[in-house]
Amino acid sequence: GENVEQHPSTLSVQEGDSAVIKCTYSDSASNYFPWYKQELGKRPQLIIDIRSNVGEKKDQRIAVTLNKTAKHFSLHITETQPEDSAVYFCAASRAEGGKLIFGQGTELSVKP
Amino acid sequence: GAGVSQSPRYKVTKRGQDVALRCDPISGHVSLYWYRQALGQGPEFLTYFNYEAQQDKSGLPNDRFSAERPEGSISTLTIQRTEQRDSAMYRCASSLGVVYNEQFFGPGTRLTVL
Repeated sequence: GENVEQHPSTLSVQEGDSAVIKCTYSDSASNYFPWYKQELGKRPQLIIDIRSNVGEKKDQRIAVTLNKTAKHFSLHITETQPEDSAVYFCAASRAEGGKLIFGQGTELSVKP
Repeated sequence: GAGVSQSPRYKVTKRGQDVALRCDPISGHVSLYWYRQALGQGPEFLTYFNYEAQQDKSGLPNDRFSAERPEGSISTLTIQRTEQRDSAMYRCASSLGVVYNEQFFGPGTRLTVL
């Protein structure tokens, strides 16, 4: 069945360092890959997404890369700040299918 | 503008009772999704609608769960004869269109079955 694996489950970095979270997916028909940030007690918030026709997308300190051949995609956060501390979820979907299949989440802690 | 809203925000019920959870999507959004999120886990897909048509209900755990969106706007997720294992955060999301569109999540309904 459809599955998304996410690693690591926890990640602790010093303020100013980079953080990388990796995901692999099983459904080769997946072509939309969003990333969500969820702070404690809050709803998931979309922070960046990538579609299958591009290999990389950047938005300020956040970037996502996609390797369709290997069926994996990654989130890169540079110059981390304490407010980046949260749980991050990757997800995958087929454009025509709609439903998102989520990874298990990564709890990122940025220490000042 | 207003985001996705859900009501009630918290629901405590006794085992065996029926519950109805409501989702009000962003105005004009065609697609509406229901997910269930256990503590510390990613949202798990339940079902979704385009306009009033239920497109996929493969994620509904069993026939005690049902959902409707009769006028293509507000949706209701109903759980009949609730069980303790149904306790979770139920989240709704909506998106503008059908293809490649960002899903915006609501605040969720925290369901506790005693």
